[in-house]
Amino acid sequence: NAGVTQTPKFRILKIGQSMTLQCTQDMNHNYMYWYRQDPGMGLKLIYYSVGAGITDKGEVPNGYNVSRSTTEDFPLRLELAAPSQTSVYFCASEGEPSTDTQYFGPGTRLTVL
Amino acid sequence: ELKVEQNPLFLSMQEGKNYTIYCNYSTTSDRLYWYRQDPGKSLESLFVLLSNGAVKQEGRLMASLDTKARLSTLHITAAVHDLSATYFCALGKFYFGSGTKLNVKP
Repeated sequence: NAGVTQTPKFRILKIGQSMTLQCTQDMNHNYMYWYRQDPGMGLKLIYYSVGAGITDKGEVPNGYNVSRSTTEDFPLRLELAAPSQTSVYFCASEGEPSTDTQYFGPGTRLTVL
Repeated sequence: ELKVEQNPLFLSMQEGKNYTIYCNYSTTSDRLYWYRQDPGKSLESLFVLLSNGAVKQEGRLMASLDTKARLSTLHITAAVHDLSATYFCALGKFYFGSGTKLNVKP
């Protein structure tokens, strides 16, 4: 049982490049989330999903896209990377929001130069 | 504008002392969460508080919720060095406070 895994751990992008951050969970959780954390700050929700095929925007969705074709995977796509997207990205999952624990992945540290 | 404000932002305390971290929020919500983050690490869920008057305890940490005052507290009892971390409160899963960085000195 690996929990929530994220790849890559680190990445440096040039301005205008694109990339996909991968997130996989093996707990059969319906709810999955993508957050970003800027230095010294709390997390900001980018997108979330309540099940396969269903996604919705969070607080800061601009510049990102997601898909949820399976229960296990919730990739985050960055199109046309900008320096403002330099951050640490965390993926999280949970079974039921009111009763279950939210589990976080180890994070992806992204730098856009 | 929805706000989640924590105070203090930094807290340095001696082992064995008690202290409280405050989390004020600007709108009603049915769920208030507390998390812990060690330096350079991911987040760990600590508590979820679902109703007015809810109290949860785990070891030396106790969280409570007053929905009328829009206030949650995280109380630390007889602090130990291992509790040194940054603690976040969050309204629902959407809105996080800026965190309280706790340093417990031996």
